[in-house]
Amino acid sequence: AQSVTQLDSHVSVSEGTPVLLRCNYSSSYSPSLFWYVQHPNKGLQLLLKYTSAATLVKGINGFEAEFKKSETSFHLTKPSAHMSDAAEYFCVVSRKGSTLGRLYFGRGTQLTVWP
Amino acid sequence: DTAVSQTPKYLVTQMGNDKSIKCEQNLGHDTMYWYKQDSKKFLKIMFSYNNKELIINETVPNRFSPKSPDKAHLNLHINSLELGDSAVYFCASSYGLVGETQYFGPGTRLLVL
Repeated sequence: AQSVTQLDSHVSVSEGTPVLLRCNYSSSYSPSLFWYVQHPNKGLQLLLKYTSAATLVKGINGFEAEFKKSETSFHLTKPSAHMSDAAEYFCVVSRKGSTLGRLYFGRGTQLTVWP
Repeated sequence: DTAVSQTPKYLVTQMGNDKSIKCEQNLGHDTMYWYKQDSKKFLKIMFSYNNKELIINETVPNRFSPKSPDKAHLNLHINSLELGDSAVYFCASSYGLVGETQYFGPGTRLLVL
């Protein structure tokens, strides 16, 4: 079975400071892992995706995430937060080899960026 | 230019009414999905279609009926709307099914009064 746990429902940072959004997953099979971002009243936008190539994945807008199999984690980071990063972030797992294309979403982490 | 589009963007209606939400994608994908996002922002899949064939049908009341006239379109019809149907409904599409990136539409905000 697949599941995703986002460890923080809210994260607040000051502009220019690092961002860390934590995600742990459980998967019986090799997972594909994603981070999506949702700005207020908008749809979901893909930030980055891991599919068993490099364990450090670089995404858009300066975000990156590291796949750590031993820790079953896929934390999202950014060295320096920008006001425009304020949004809801979702960690998502999909089972590779699945014939169903089912995505399992975490509960989301609301990122607030203070000036 | 919009890759995945949905109409309408907002939908306010009375309990008991029947309504439809339309979704179109111009990405050439063969798989389309409907998700429901509740008031706590939790996203859960409702349906998926691959090449117009129903693949995923989650535990959704049979008042919800998806229809895929072709690979580029997936519509959602809801009969006898209830208060609990109020949510944001997202359409998404992808190439195939196997761990592929899904591209989401802007969402349809449904409010049932």
